[in-house]
Amino acid sequence: AQKVTQAQTEISVVEKEDVTLDCVYETRDTTYYLFWYKQPPSGELVFLIRRNSFDEQNEISGRYSWNFQKSTSSFNFTITASQVVDSAVYFCALSGSGDYKLSFGAGTTVTVRA
Amino acid sequence: KAGVTQTPRYLIKTRGQQVTLSCSPISGHRSVSWYQQTPGQGLQFLFEYFSETQRNKGNFPGRFSGRQFSNSRSEMNVSTLELGDSALYLCASTNIRTAGLGTDTQYFGPGTRLTVL
Repeated sequence: AQKVTQAQTEISVVEKEDVTLDCVYETRDTTYYLFWYKQPPSGELVFLIRRNSFDEQNEISGRYSWNFQKSTSSFNFTITASQVVDSAVYFCALSGSGDYKLSFGAGTTVTVRA
Repeated sequence: KAGVTQTPRYLIKTRGQQVTLSCSPISGHRSVSWYQQTPGQGLQFLFEYFSETQRNKGNFPGRFSGRQFSNSRSEMNVSTLELGDSALYLCASTNIRTAGLGTDTQYFGPGTRLTVL
């Protein structure tokens, strides 16, 4: 069974602060895929980033960056210089190879205050 | 390219009724997945269809069913509605480029908010 844990329920920051979201996962698959999605109040899940288990290189994409550490089963996500429009619920998700079933964490609500 | 569309966006039903929700994937995407989102259980996988075949199913009762048409559009049906079926139902489409391997990214629609009274 696959499991994703997002320990942070809510995070509140002031605009321009950095926000780091924690994600810890459990899986028996040797090949798996990790995702971060954003859900604004409108309800639609918006894809942000994806990482394959066999690629531990961490990257930066605009104001987003992520830290994938296989040794600790963590896939943390950082928003740099947060903006009010970043206010949303952020979900970490996991799927196995050839498996189009996403297992989601409970989500972290991020509130960015002006 | 148009995104995933879901109809209707909002629906109110009463207990015991049945409901059908529709999802049109992104053009060219042949895999469609369905998820249920509730405050108590979070986001849960319902099922996934590819080429009109259900390939994977989540842990939901048989009242939840789905199908996919030859144009990749999908519908899900919930029969004998219960109060607990009130939820946001999300559909996602995937452009499967590596059949059997994966996984490619799932892109979600705006969802159908179902309220059961």
